[in-house]
Amino acid sequence: DIQMTQSPSSLSASVGDRVTITCRASQSISSYVNWYQQKPGKAPNLLIFGASTLQSGVPSRFSGSGSGTDFTLTISSLQPEDSATFYCQQSNSAPWTFGQGTKVEIK
Amino acid sequence: EVQLVESGGGLVQPGGSLRLSCVASGFTFSSYWMSWVRQAPGKGLEWVANIKQDESEKYFLGSVTGRFTTSRDNAKSSLYLQMSSLRAEDTAVYYCARAFTYSNSRGYYYYMDVWGKGTTVTVSS
Repeated sequence: DIQMTQSPSSLSASVGDRVTITCRASQSISSYVNWYQQKPGKAPNLLIFGASTLQSGVPSRFSGSGSGTDFTLTISSLQPEDSATFYCQQSNSAPWTFGQGTKVEIK
Repeated sequence: EVQLVESGGGLVQPGGSLRLSCVASGFTFSSYWMSWVRQAPGKGLEWVANIKQDESEKYFLGSVTGRFTTSRDNAKSSLYLQMSSLRAEDTAVYYCARAFTYSNSRGYYYYMDVWGKGTTVTVSS
């Protein structure tokens, strides 16, 4: 199984800050990585697919990059509504696997 | 409106069985792969299963293989997860999700773009 390792596990940042979350795959997975945002008590929401393609309706302050084993989700200017947990997920091969999540808090 | 609605969760004893349902609306259900994802209390997301449009391909998380099965009824726009030999570690919110497929010159991309609100399964005596 492909392991997805996210870092950091949590972070606290101020409104307007640039925030970066990284995800490392245990083997090369091309660009088969998706990113989701989940708020407490809610279902996950797709942000990025194919490592770098922004899902329709998602604010442009979110962006993704990377290929192979190393991937990044960036929030260019953190907003209060971005307080949530973010997950990477690989769809290169079954079983699909998620990172352990990064909890983003607003200072 | 594109929507997925899960049902069938509840309290079940260890070793018991439960069948979850997911009804889709607002899109052509028969055209999409579908997925099940779960989340144990206070934990992260865990993919459980995928099923192809015509049920010809199914994939499962290793820890549920042989205990869980998934099926669909395209005429009813419905997805099912039959769970048996349930364990305490199966306690979770179970989500169904649409697995969108996108292809380009570099390959086939799958991502879960529509999610239900989830149904809670509690395995306890």
